[in-house]
Amino acid sequence: KQEVTQIPAALSVPEGENLVLNCSFTDSAIYNLQWFRQDPGKGLTSLLLIQSSQREQTSGRLNASLDKSSGRSTLYIAASQPGDSATYLCAVAGANNLFFGTGTRLTVIP
Amino acid sequence: DVKVTQSSRYLVKRTGEKVFLECVQDMDHENMFWYRQDPGLGLRLIYFSYDVKMKEKGDIPEGYSVSREKKERFSLILESASTNQTSMYLCASSLSTAQPYEQYFGPGTRLTVT
Repeated sequence: KQEVTQIPAALSVPEGENLVLNCSFTDSAIYNLQWFRQDPGKGLTSLLLIQSSQREQTSGRLNASLDKSSGRSTLYIAASQPGDSATYLCAVAGANNLFFGTGTRLTVIP
Repeated sequence: DVKVTQSSRYLVKRTGEKVFLECVQDMDHENMFWYRQDPGLGLRLIYFSYDVKMKEKGDIPEGYSVSREKKERFSLILESASTNQTSMYLCASSLSTAQPYEQYFGPGTRLTVT
């Protein structure tokens, strides 16, 4: 069964720093990988989706990469802002559903 | 924009009650999903549905059932609520399995069973 791990579980950075969140998965037979943001007590907002044939996707200050062969993805956030504070989840798509990591809780300190 | 709505943001029920959680999507998506989210365990799939009147068990279906009578609506049913079903419940939808499979989530229902 697919297992998804996110390290670190929590991260605090000062405003303006660039940062990288990590996601690893055990089975490289994936359809795609999706990064989500979750604010406390709220649902999930999709940030980026990388299809299995792609290496990276960019949206504004966010860049996500995918290395299927090594089972790794990273989410790069440039010039972090206090509004980026949230939990970030990665999820890999199998044939029928998504497998989620437990997330990285990011705090950006003003 | 895809919109997924859930009937309640917060719900408090007593042990043994029958509980209905409703989810509606407005983009004619084929697939709909119910997850629960617990600290340290992440999101776990309870049930999903590919089409009207079709359902498939996810990873943790015990104690739950689902109903999909119309394409836009997917209901999660707790036949006899128990305290270990206290959790955040999230509904999601996606266009179809033929597409890139991006899932869109609702705001969640925080259920407390006392």
